Amino acid sequence: EIVLTQSPGTLSLSPGERATLSCRASQSVSSSYLAWYQQTPGQAPRLLIYGASSRATGIPDRFSGGGSGTDFTLTISRLEPEDFAVYYCQQYGRSPRTFGQGTKVEIK
Amino acid sequence: QVQLVQSGAEVKKPGASVKVSCKASGYTVTSYGISWVRQAPGQGLEWMGWMSVHNGNTNYAQKFQGRVTMTTDTSTSTTYMELRSLRSDDTAVYYCARESKDYYYAMDVWGQGTTVTVSS
Repeated sequence: EIVLTQSPGTLSLSPGERATLSCRASQSVSSSYLAWYQQTPGQAPRLLIYGASSRATGIPDRFSGGGSGTDFTLTISRLEPEDFAVYYCQQYGRSPRTFGQGTKVEIK
Repeated sequence: QVQLVQSGAEVKKPGASVKVSCKASGYTVTSYGISWVRQAPGQGLEWMGWMSVHNGNTNYAQKFQGRVTMTTDTSTSTTYMELRSLRSDDTAVYYCARESKDYYYAMDVWGQGTTVTVSS
């Protein structure tokens, strides 16, 4: 099983600041099969990024993904109030599909 | 519009079974797979398994092998997830999610979630 480790656990930032979230895999992940999701309290997750770097339909361009192999990042260039949430990375190239434990982006 | 609508909250006793439904609309259901993901209170996301709505093939996480069954009824565009021998640590919100080839099989549409509470 591929274990995904996200860091930091919590990121305390102010609106307008840049957020950089990390996702490290225990084995190499095909970039085609790495996704990022956003989850706000009481809501289902929302797909942000697929294929490590492609934005899903309707996702603002302040969200960007990058990386390859075992190290991936999600960057939010300028935090908007609605971006304060929990973010999960996921690999779906090998079974079982696995999620990271999440990074909470909170208002400082 | 494209959506997945899940059945309502359930309360079950330890040892019982629960069957959660996920009704799709707004797209051709046989062209996509459905994964089930659960989230225990205050915890992260856990993938349970996947099924092809097209042919019924399934792939279950080893943790749930023998306790979970995923089925589909294409006539009603509804997918089901049954979990048996429930324990208190099965208390969670259960989500169905569509896996889209347009997104390299990432989960692009999610149901609203079904809360399952296991308590004596």
